[in-house]
Amino acid sequence: ELQLVESEGGLVQPGGSMRLSCAASGFTLSNYWMHWVRQAPGKGLVWVSFINYDGSTTNYADSVKGRFTISRDNAKNTLYLQMTSLRAEDTAVYYCVRGGALRSLDCWGQGTLVTVSS
Amino acid sequence: EIVLTQSPGTLSSSPGERATLSCRASQSVSNLAWYQQRPGQAPRLLIYGASSRATGIPDRFSGSGSETDFTLTISRLEPEDFAVYYCQQNTGSWTFGQGTKVEIK
Repeated sequence: ELQLVESEGGLVQPGGSMRLSCAASGFTLSNYWMHWVRQAPGKGLVWVSFINYDGSTTNYADSVKGRFTISRDNAKNTLYLQMTSLRAEDTAVYYCVRGGALRSLDCWGQGTLVTVSS
Repeated sequence: EIVLTQSPGTLSSSPGERATLSCRASQSVSNLAWYQQRPGQAPRLLIYGASSRATGIPDRFSGSGSETDFTLTISRLEPEDFAVYYCQQNTGSWTFGQGTKVEIK
């Protein structure tokens, strides 16, 4: 069974850092592009970041560029998102997502809530 | 950045009725996908490449359109279809529309 399981989020102070991880099972991570997508409470979906098969290419939304870093460890079947200089507006549920056909997003984790507040 | 505008914002319908959701892009896009999000759940892929159904998606869901104008049609609404629907494009980077809520009338 395809599964993406994000690590537990939590509360972090403004200006702080947090690393999310996402464990993939039921498929070989190295065969897929991967993404992070977030959703602020009561709001819509916002794409955050993308990484290609071997991590040689990444891309970020302007809102997180320079603060967030996406990476992957294919040997461990795990995706990461390192978040620094966190702001209140980064408060959201963060989803780990697999890239699918024609650049769609075909498998989603259950999401993890990150709250940035003092 | 390509902006996707979905309409209507909210669609009030009854089970068994046909629902038509629209997604308009600010410039031509090469690929468009549709997602469904039920309350308290993660989104799931319904349609990719504008008109191809994802694995396991019932055939009452269909997608159409090209360039800047796209449509998701649900031929006969089932109780489990009342949810929020998002379109998403991936020309350059990835962006989502703001969503259409399909609610029970």
